Amino acid sequence: EDKVVQSPLSLVVHEGDTVTLNCSYEVTNFRSLLWYKQEKKAPTFLFMLTSSGIEKKSGRLSSILDKKELSSILNITATQTGDSAIYLCAVEKTYKYIFGTGTRLKVLA
Amino acid sequence: EAGVTQSPTHLIKTRGQQATLRCSPISGHTSVYWYQQALGLGLQFLLWYDEGEERNRGNFPPRFSGRQFPNYSSELNVNALELEDSALYLCASSLGTSGGYDTQYFGPGTRLTVL
Repeated sequence: EDKVVQSPLSLVVHEGDTVTLNCSYEVTNFRSLLWYKQEKKAPTFLFMLTSSGIEKKSGRLSSILDKKELSSILNITATQTGDSAIYLCAVEKTYKYIFGTGTRLKVLA
Repeated sequence: EAGVTQSPTHLIKTRGQQATLRCSPISGHTSVYWYQQALGLGLQFLLWYDEGEERNRGNFPPRFSGRQFPNYSSELNVNALELEDSALYLCASSLGTSGGYDTQYFGPGTRLTVL
């Protein structure tokens, strides 16, 4: 059965810290891995990763996929209180999406 | 460009009633996905529509159903509501099978409360 597992489940850090969120998957017919940020309701798209070893960056956020290890990490540097959210990882396999349960990040001022 | 829209924002029903939730995708998107997000749980896949057809459904009972209209908007119907149906229902749209790599964009959700 396809599954996506995220760790840690929750994380509390202080502003300025760097965090690394993990996503591992066991999915047949993998096509891409996506990261979303969910603050209140609608998850907002962050990154889509299709190729192993190529880092995607957007400001203080970056992500990389390791197809050999069937995993991805999302890094957030110099965290801010506005980064507090649930971060969701999803794997797409031919238009079907499998989501992890998410990592709840809380950044304290 | 308008994003995915959903209505209503909140819906309160009693057990046994029916609920109808609506979703309008981003212009140009032909695929619509429905998810249930219960408190403390991840997104559970409900239904996928593309080009007016149901392409896939998750492990939910038949009282969860829906449809996609010719303009690609979609409706989710939940019959014989149960207390455990209380959740945030998220709709997402994507380019679907007409595109290459696919990315979903989510609407703000409908919070369904069953009393």
